[in-house]
Formats: sequence, structure tokens, C-alpha cells
Amino acid sequence: AQSVTQLDSHVSVSEGTPVLLRCNYSSSYSPSLFWYVQHPNKGLQLLLKYTSAATLVKGINGFEAEFKKSETSFHLTKPSAHMSDAAEYFCVVSPIGTASKLTFGTGTRLQVTL
Amino acid sequence: NAGVMQNPRHLVRRRGQEARLRCSPMKGHSHVYWYRQLPEEGLKFMVYLQKENIIDESGMPKERFSAEFPKEGPSILRIQQVVRGDSAAYFCASSAEGTRNYGYTFGSGTRLTVV
Repeated sequence: AQSVTQLDSHVSVSEGTPVLLRCNYSSSYSPSLFWYVQHPNKGLQLLLKYTSAATLVKGINGFEAEFKKSETSFHLTKPSAHMSDAAEYFCVVSPIGTASKLTFGTGTRLQVTL
Repeated sequence: NAGVMQNPRHLVRRRGQEARLRCSPMKGHSHVYWYRQLPEEGLKFMVYLQKENIIDESGMPKERFSAEFPKEGPSILRIQQVVRGDSAAYFCASSAEGTRNYGYTFGSGTRLTVV
């Protein structure tokens, strides 16, 4: 069994300040972990993925996430927010090595203000 | 590479009608996954298909919903006798390999509204 908990449903930051979106996971298996972003009325875009290689994963648009097994966390960060980062962000888990579904968190809505 | 193509983008159906949602995977991808997103919620897995086979349908409602991925043509998600609770965004994703999860490519979704 696997699950994902996104600890904040809404996060608001000022443009130019750091972004932190929190995610904790639970998995019976060694997990693959992903962050997806969804802009309003759009599809999902993969930001980054962890698949048991380096624990610090760099993604697109300046985002990165660190896999911490001891804390079962996979938090998403960005040093400096941009207005275009305003969107819904989903943390996603899936077991490594099996053909299976992705399990989504409930999402965090990021608001970026001037 | 046109990516994962879903159509229609928006679909309006009256209660009791049938809805047919189409998904053409990325070129070279033979694995298709359907997800449903209810308002203000995350995506919920529905079904995983390979060509001509349903691999995992554990997320599909037992009644009124069916999915197929024929040898030729797109994958179809079919909802019979739609009800208001079926109103949601339906997303399709595809992958080249089903045995390791390196991420999926998602389509832009079909937004179904039942009136």
C-alpha cells in the first residue's frame, strides 16, 4: 500500500522569496516519487522524479526536491518564486519496478504575490 | 511528437446519456492510464491498459464505466448513463514501459460536465 500526504493545501509567497511545498509518503515498497504541476485548466507537467538514484533531484524551472528516507519526505523547493509558478502542485508516489498506478496527493495550491 | 492527445477537451452530456472520451498515446507508447480528477481533489487512478488488454482496473467503478485500448486507434473511456457525480476532468497518460515508473506523459484532459 502507498499514500502521499501534502501537508499544506495552500501556500502563498511573495515573488522572489523561497518556495517550500511539503510532502510525506508512505509505501510498502521502495518508492519512486514525482512532483507534477498543473496550471489552471491545463494538463499535468512533470517537474522532477526520484527513482533511487541521487537523493537530491533537480527539475525544471529551478525546482528541486530531496528524498529523505528517514523522514519519509520529498519536499519541493525553489530559491526564488516567480509569478509564473502560481499553480497546483501534486506529489506522487509509485512503487519502483512494477507496472502500476501513480498515487497522487491532494495537491498544494501555490499563490505568488507581488 | 504531438504528445498525448485527448479529445474532446470539453464534453457536455445530459443525465442518462453516454460519454466517450478518447486518448491517443505518444508515439511509441503502448501503455495507457486513465485518471479522474474531481473538483478540488487530486487525481484518482481508474484503469491501466496495454494494447488489447486491461492490466489493472482496480480504480474503475463497477458499473457504467468501461475502457478499451484496441490494436488500432485510440484508447476509449466510456461512461454509460452518466450522472451528475461523473462531472470531472478525466486525464489520460501514456508510457513506453510499464514495468518501471519513470514518469508518465499526461494529456490535457477532457472536462466532462453532466447537466
